[in-house]
Amino acid sequence: GEDVEQSLFLSVREGDSSVINCTYTDSSSTYLYWYKQEPGAGLQLLTYIFSNMDMKQDQRLTVLLNKKDKHLSLRIADTQTGDSAIYFCAEVYGGATNKLIFGTGTLLAVQP
Amino acid sequence: NAGVTQTPKFRILKIGQSMTLQCTQDMNHNYMYWYRQDPGMGLKLIYYSVGAGITDKGEVPNGYNVSRSTTEDFPLRLELAAPSQTSVYFCASTRDREDTQYFGPGTRLTVL
Repeated sequence: GEDVEQSLFLSVREGDSSVINCTYTDSSSTYLYWYKQEPGAGLQLLTYIFSNMDMKQDQRLTVLLNKKDKHLSLRIADTQTGDSAIYFCAEVYGGATNKLIFGTGTLLAVQP
Repeated sequence: NAGVTQTPKFRILKIGQSMTLQCTQDMNHNYMYWYRQDPGMGLKLIYYSVGAGITDKGEVPNGYNVSRSTTEDFPLRLELAAPSQTSVYFCASTRDREDTQYFGPGTRLTVL
């Protein structure tokens, strides 16, 4: 079955690092994504990683992929109050149609 | 480019009413998607389209219909609104199946 799991809530202090975790089910997924959703807003693509990579870094964001365990993580360095949002991981499912399966989202609360 | 636009932003319907949620993209993307996001949940795929004239069901298609007469537009139709359709609806598009999905700002629908 298709199931992407995330922890529901993470609280960090401003300036600390945040690590948001995700487990996925489809080992044939070619891409895995991280989206950010601020209150009342749509989804903003943060970053993605191709399945043949272990790590991808993009400024303050680091994505780690463990294909053996089907585990994906997003690390945000020097977390700011503006990073407070819900973060969704998503995997591509269904080959020809590029359907995305989303996790339930992790609410990141950054304390000043 | 405006990207993916959705109208309306908000709507309240009575049970049994019908409405059409509009989605337009100006990026000449072939693939378009409709998702719904229930409170505290991730996104579920309602319908998708791989090109003009071609549509198919996603995970939760019951109570909805779509059409794709042009590349740009992908309207979602609710024929007999029910309280269970209270949700935030997101439209997305992508150029091809290996590309990332770009989301519209969402339509918040309440059915009373």
